[in-house]
Amino acid sequence: SYDLTQPPSVSVSPGQTASITCSGNKLGNKYAYWYQQKPGQSPVLVIYQDTKRPSGIPERFSGSNSGNAATLTIRGTQATDEADYYCQAWDTITAVFGGGTKLTVL
Amino acid sequence: EVQLEESGGGLVQPGRSLRLSCRGSGFTFGDYAMSWVRQAPGKGLEWVGFIRRKGHGGTTENAASVKGRFTILRDDSKSTAYLQMNSLKTEDTAVYYCTRIVVALSAPKEVSNWFDPWGQGTLVTVSS
Repeated sequence: SYDLTQPPSVSVSPGQTASITCSGNKLGNKYAYWYQQKPGQSPVLVIYQDTKRPSGIPERFSGSNSGNAATLTIRGTQATDEADYYCQAWDTITAVFGGGTKLTVL
Repeated sequence: EVQLEESGGGLVQPGRSLRLSCRGSGFTFGDYAMSWVRQAPGKGLEWVGFIRRKGHGGTTENAASVKGRFTILRDDSKSTAYLQMNSLKTEDTAVYYCTRIVVALSAPKEVSNWFDPWGQGTLVTVSS
């Protein structure tokens, strides 16, 4: 089976840049997706096809994917960005999620 | 506005069955594959399975953890997808989310599907 690995937690100061990595074997050959989940809420898509932002997602969210890792970058992090972030990819017909990263803005 | 609304969760004993429903609105339901994703209390997201649209056969794929116990169905006339859960185990306790699968028709990489949007989720508790 295919595995995606994320750090359990990342901390960032307000206004700084947060980077969350997602590692998987030859992940760069697949598309990476990122979902944001705030406490008590459903997940929301924030990045699709490695680098694209859905409408309504602030420009401070960006993504990259090459080699064995994808990265979600949040520039000028705000308190409202505090949430769990999950990466996701497809292993042929099976969807795989990373374990999630808790982003703390302090 | 595209919306998904799950229903049918609740408390069920181990070994029993439960059917969840997911009604979509704001889009042509039959044009999309639909998926279920679950989240155990305090844990991460786990993909459960999906059902293709009728035009692609309406067939299903499931995670190994639920294969043979869970079945995904759809009724496009009701804009509704279902998750039929049989032989439930305590480890199936989770919030179950319904989500639409969006497909990119042409993309450089092989599989270009993503989950958007998600429903609000429905809690299933398996306990005696």
